[in-house]
Amino acid sequence: GDSVTQMEGPVTLSEEAFLTINCTYTATGYPSLFWYVQYPGEGLQLLLKATKADDKGSNKGFEATYRKETTSFHLEKGSVQVSDSAVYFCALEGVGGFKTIFGAGTRLFVKA
Amino acid sequence: DTGVSQDPRHKITKRGQNVTFRCDPISEHNRLYWYRQTLGQGPEFLTYFQNEAQLEKSRLLSDRFSAERPKGSFSTLEIQRTEQGDSAMYLCASSRTGTSGRAGNEQFFGPGTRLTVL
Repeated sequence: GDSVTQMEGPVTLSEEAFLTINCTYTATGYPSLFWYVQYPGEGLQLLLKATKADDKGSNKGFEATYRKETTSFHLEKGSVQVSDSAVYFCALEGVGGFKTIFGAGTRLFVKA
Repeated sequence: DTGVSQDPRHKITKRGQNVTFRCDPISEHNRLYWYRQTLGQGPEFLTYFQNEAQLEKSRLLSDRFSAERPKGSFSTLEIQRTEQGDSAMYLCASSRTGTSGRAGNEQFFGPGTRLTVL
């Protein structure tokens, strides 16, 4: 069945460091791919998405590119801030268009 | 605020009791999802409604779990004869079918109901 694997955390970075959180997936066909974020004390919210191969999703300085050949959707940010401290979830929506599979989440700590 | 709401936010119950949770989605959203999340894990898909029709139910759901969305608006999730392994955060999310019908629609999550089974 469909699955999502993302790098284990926690990831601890200093402010202004470069961030990469790896995400790979297994799915039939061409799923839609997402990154959701959960800030402390808040609910999950969409960070960015891509619905077809080679699409790049971007938001708040974060980017991820849908790579069909490597079945990956890695999250990157060039310069993290303390306010980026959160748990990040990679997710895929299957070809059927409704069942969403989430990764286990990666906790990010950014130090001032 | 017109976000997704869930009630109650916390529920403590004894093993063997029945519990029911409610979710009120964003009003114009036709899709509604239930997930379960345990500590250190991502949300696990439980079930999905499009309007009032329950279109998919995860194999994770035993016969003790049932969900309804009677008029295509709010939804309830009932767990019968609760077990300690049911302790988790239960999340509800809603979304709207895109105008093109394509997948990739953003889900809006509620704050969750935290269930503790003693």
